[in-house]
Amino acid sequence: LAKTTQPISMDSYEGQEVNITCSHNNIATNDYITWYQQFPSQGPRFIIQGYKTKVTNEVASLFIPADRKSSTLSLPRVSLSDTAVYYCLVALNDYKLSFGAGTTVTVRA
Amino acid sequence: DAGITQSPRHKVTETGTPVTLRCHQTENHRYMYWYRQDPGHGLRLIHYSYGVKDTDKGEVSDGYSVSRSKTEDFLLTLESATSSQTSVYFCAISTGIDEQFFGPGTRLTVL
Repeated sequence: LAKTTQPISMDSYEGQEVNITCSHNNIATNDYITWYQQFPSQGPRFIIQGYKTKVTNEVASLFIPADRKSSTLSLPRVSLSDTAVYYCLVALNDYKLSFGAGTTVTVRA
Repeated sequence: DAGITQSPRHKVTETGTPVTLRCHQTENHRYMYWYRQDPGHGLRLIHYSYGVKDTDKGEVSDGYSVSRSKTEDFLLTLESATSSQTSVYFCAISTGIDEQFFGPGTRLTVL
């Protein structure tokens, strides 16, 4: 599984856009990039997945440059309820996932 | 939410005792997983199953065994619990390489 590196923590304020960048220099051709969100005392929840360029859903956007060595999760206009840990994962066409420590995002009023 | 339940939700046990955690799904998903989560480590895969009676080890499998005799149930057993196995345990299910759905977790304390 390709190793990922992401910031340990980020602070933001309500209404701002939060961008979390994940580095995955050893990503392989067939790897997908997936992001999960975890609230305290709950299991992780899938946010978004992409292979290249840009993917958008009702929760977030995922930007992947052409070289795919990094990706950026964008959370538009965050609220207090977006305070959580966000995990970036890269999986080779595989059902086994490896979570790192994630990025703790704290949204303040 | 996906139909996944874990039991028990909380357990306190003593070192050396056997412990079995149960994961039950109502989604008929093929793949099931057991993770543990400790502060600063994110989630680490213990064991997973890709079908009834088909299981394999994850990255932290030492001291754990699993069994899956029915599609809906995936059991995690600690044969002789140790304090290092104090953790929060999450079960997850998936249909394949797409998203995994996680259960509510079991908090295990080994004294």
